[in-house]
Amino acid sequence: QSVLTQPPSASGTPGQRVTISCSGNSSNIGSNYVYWYQQLPGTAPKLLIYRNNQRPSGVPDRFSGSKSGTSASLTISGLRSDDEADYYCAAWDDSLRVFGGGTKLTVL
Amino acid sequence: EVQLVESGGGLVQPGGSLRLSCAASGFIFSTYWMSWVRQAPGKGLEWVANIKQDGSEKYYVDSVKGRFTISRDNAKNSLYLQMNSLRAEDTAVYYCARGEVVLLDPWGQGTLVTVSS
Repeated sequence: QSVLTQPPSASGTPGQRVTISCSGNSSNIGSNYVYWYQQLPGTAPKLLIYRNNQRPSGVPDRFSGSKSGTSASLTISGLRSDDEADYYCAAWDDSLRVFGGGTKLTVL
Repeated sequence: EVQLVESGGGLVQPGGSLRLSCAASGFIFSTYWMSWVRQAPGKGLEWVANIKQDGSEKYYVDSVKGRFTISRDNAKNSLYLQMNSLRAEDTAVYYCARGEVVLLDPWGQGTLVTVSS
């Protein structure tokens, strides 16, 4: 069972802005960095955001991350059809159950 | 190019054993923590184990403690996961990834382990 809570699904139309939330507590998100991973259908996860809001090289600036208190968010602007994927948040937790349950993003 | 390639997955009976391998290239393997992460069919990600650069520290998620052993051979740029006493709930795609726990980049393509009679 995940200690980080994400909505199981989200959706948007091309060009829209979509936000995916990730909720934790003071011992995980509240006191540690948050990371986001994108998993395109049939592929391995890929690092999308690190240390709350940093993008690895090659990740478009349409993707942004933020954190406030014990919650974090991933925002995708200018939604594209190839953004359809599963998105996972992650943060250190003493239980080592570090990943959220994932959010399946559908582009309508 | 940084690359991780897993191998060794397959079908195994409950109670059986399997050894996964991960071949690393394109970076100085001996300077990074390495991890295994798994994903059951249709489910989310679960971090499984990690190992320090020199192999002196290893950590496991509770569900695999005492059954799985992570190891590495820096001379061969390789990471391993020895899985014993396998259970149906261990069925998953197993990914190796460069990194300690939450900052994992990149990931291999994964290898499927199926535990079934």
